[in-house]
Amino acid sequence: AQSVTQLGSHVSVSEGALVLLRCNYSSSVPPYLFWYVQYPNQGLQLLLKYTSAATLVKGINGFEAEFKKSETSFHLTKPSAHMSDAAEYFCAVSGTNRDDKIIFGKGTRLHILP
Amino acid sequence: EPEVTQTPSHQVTQMGQEVILRCVPISNHLYFYWYRQILGQKVEFLVSFYNNEISEKSEIFDDQFSVERPDGSNFTLKIRSTKLEDSAMYFCASSAGQGIGEQFFGPGTRLTVL
Repeated sequence: AQSVTQLGSHVSVSEGALVLLRCNYSSSVPPYLFWYVQYPNQGLQLLLKYTSAATLVKGINGFEAEFKKSETSFHLTKPSAHMSDAAEYFCAVSGTNRDDKIIFGKGTRLHILP
Repeated sequence: EPEVTQTPSHQVTQMGQEVILRCVPISNHLYFYWYRQILGQKVEFLVSFYNNEISEKSEIFDDQFSVERPDGSNFTLKIRSTKLEDSAMYFCASSAGQGIGEQFFGPGTRLTVL
């Protein structure tokens, strides 16, 4: 069985500060890991994905995440927050078969303080 | 850029009524999915569909639910007799099924059952 746990349903950071959104996963098979972002009234957009190549994954909008097998973590970071980063962020896991379902975490709402 | 589209954006229905949620996946994609998100909860997998049949379905996807690809472009989710607890945001997704099988999500349909 697979699952993800996101620590913190709400995170607030000041504009220009480091963004750190935490995600831990559980998987009985080597996983694929994802971060999705959802802006208000929009669908889910893929930020980045880990697919067993490089452990440090770079995504869009300056975000990156590091896969740490020993810690079963896949935390999302961005060095300097921007007001436009305010959104809901979902960590997700899937198996490696081409039609495997995605299992989502509960999401973390990121607030950017001016 | 190709995208997944969903209609309607918001559907209000009375309990016990049938609803059909519509999705147009990306044109060359082969795998199709429905997910839902009850307000304040995580995004949950409902069903995956490939080659005109269901690949996998969750416990949520009971006999009240059905999916269909009636033509070469649409992918529909039908709820035969809606319940109050079916109120949620329903997301359609599609993937090409190659490599990582990245799923592209539509903007969602908000279903409200009164």
